[in-house]
Amino acid sequence: DAKTTQPTSMDCAEGRAANLPCNHSTISGNEYVYWYRQIHSQGPQYIIHGLKNNETNEMASLIITEDRKSSTLILPHATLRDTAVYYCIVRTSGYSTLTFGKGTMLLVSP
Amino acid sequence: NAGVTQTPKFQVLKTGQSMTLQCAQDMNHEYMSWYRQDPGMGLRLIHYSVGAGITDQGEVPNGYNVSRSTTEDFPLRLLSAAPSQTSVYFCASSRRPQAGDGHTQYFGPGTRLTVL
Repeated sequence: DAKTTQPTSMDCAEGRAANLPCNHSTISGNEYVYWYRQIHSQGPQYIIHGLKNNETNEMASLIITEDRKSSTLILPHATLRDTAVYYCIVRTSGYSTLTFGKGTMLLVSP
Repeated sequence: NAGVTQTPKFQVLKTGQSMTLQCAQDMNHEYMSWYRQDPGMGLRLIHYSVGAGITDQGEVPNGYNVSRSTTEDFPLRLLSAAPSQTSVYFCASSRRPQAGDGHTQYFGPGTRLTVL
C-alpha cells in the first residue's frame, strides 16, 4: 500500500470548514483513499473513501486531485466534537487490514 | 443495531494470568480483526478472520490466540499475560469486499488492559 503524509496537527475555529490535506504521491491506479478518525479514547471511525472522483457523505467531503497524488478531507462546519486524530490511508480493494500512521490531530476551538 | 461490542472495557491482570477479550458484531460481517494500540505506534494487527473457522496471524500475534466458531463472535485470548501486553485493544469487522469497492472496517470501543 502507498505511504501517506499528513501534517501533525491543525487548528480550526468552530463553525468554520476544516480542510485536512494528505499526500500520497506513490498511489497506484487501483488504490483507494480512505479517511478514518479517532476521538480520544474511542475506536477509529470510518469517515469516507474514494478512488478517483470527489465524494460527499453526511460527515464530510473528499477531494482527490486529478493526478491522485493528494487529497483533502473537508468537514464543512466543524464542531467541538470533531476534535480528533484524522488518518488518511491508501490501500487496494479486497481484504487487507488497515495500516494507521500518525495522522493529523485536529483541534476545534470555540 | 449495536455494531461492534467489546467486553470488558477495562481490565487489570497480574503477570502470568490468562484472560479472554470478547468481541461481537451484529452486522453479519464475515471479516473480523483484532488490533492493539500503543502510544506513538498506531494500530497494529494481532489476528484476523475472514469467516467462521478461518483465522490468520497479523503483525504481532505472539502471546495471543483466537478462534472463530460463529460469524458474530471473535474472542482474543491472552495465554500468559506480560507487562508488554499492556495496551488498548480494538476489534473491527467488515463485510466481504465487493468487486470494485473498497473495504470499510467498523471498530468497537476498545478494551484497556493493564498487566502488572
